[in-house]
Amino acid sequence: GIQVEQSPPDLILQEGANSTLRCNFSDSVNNLQWFHQNPWGQLINLFYIPSGTKQNGRLSATTVATERYSLLYISSSQTTDSGVYFCAVDRNNAGNMLTFGGGTRLMVKP
Amino acid sequence: DAGVTQSPTHLIKTRGQQVTLRCSPKSGHDTVSWYQQALGQGPQFIFQYYEEEERQRGNFPDRFSGHQFPNYSSELNVNALLLGDSALYLCASSLGARWKLFFGSGTQLSVL
Repeated sequence: GIQVEQSPPDLILQEGANSTLRCNFSDSVNNLQWFHQNPWGQLINLFYIPSGTKQNGRLSATTVATERYSLLYISSSQTTDSGVYFCAVDRNNAGNMLTFGGGTRLMVKP
Repeated sequence: DAGVTQSPTHLIKTRGQQVTLRCSPKSGHDTVSWYQQALGQGPQFIFQYYEEEERQRGNFPDRFSGHQFPNYSSELNVNALLLGDSALYLCASSLGARWKLFFGSGTQLSVL
């Protein structure tokens, strides 16, 4: 099956700092989504981004499908950004059978 | 607009028992997927339901089964529980099979 690797595995930031999270995948994909899992376990969908660039407030994402990677940018980080960020992909056309990466655990300190 | 709702939030069972978890999709969504998340890991796909049929299945044994009702809600059933089935079970819904996925808060299952 497809392999999804995320880096870094852990990240500690001071409030206000910027960061870049990376997701590499081993095969071409038709579906790529970024999620944030907060400390209470709730998974929030940040982006549906199989290719191109999107922005939502302080967050933006870029997927370069031909080179099999995606980047999530967090600017001016806040303590509420803490949690685990997951990249998830699907390589077939049938639907959301997502394969998740191992996640990046982010802690933002005040 | 209600999001994805799951019940119960927590459940404790013993080995060999059977369990049923429930999920109501986000309003307007017709596709429901179930994921298992072990502690410290990313979620793993169990199966997906659309038009009351299982459309896709991940690498899970037949002890895991499901159902989707005409109102799009869904159940996940696990028979003959093992200690290794202890995990957070997440339900997700989408409009159609390939679009943005929305997750519920999950059911934390502990098998003793």
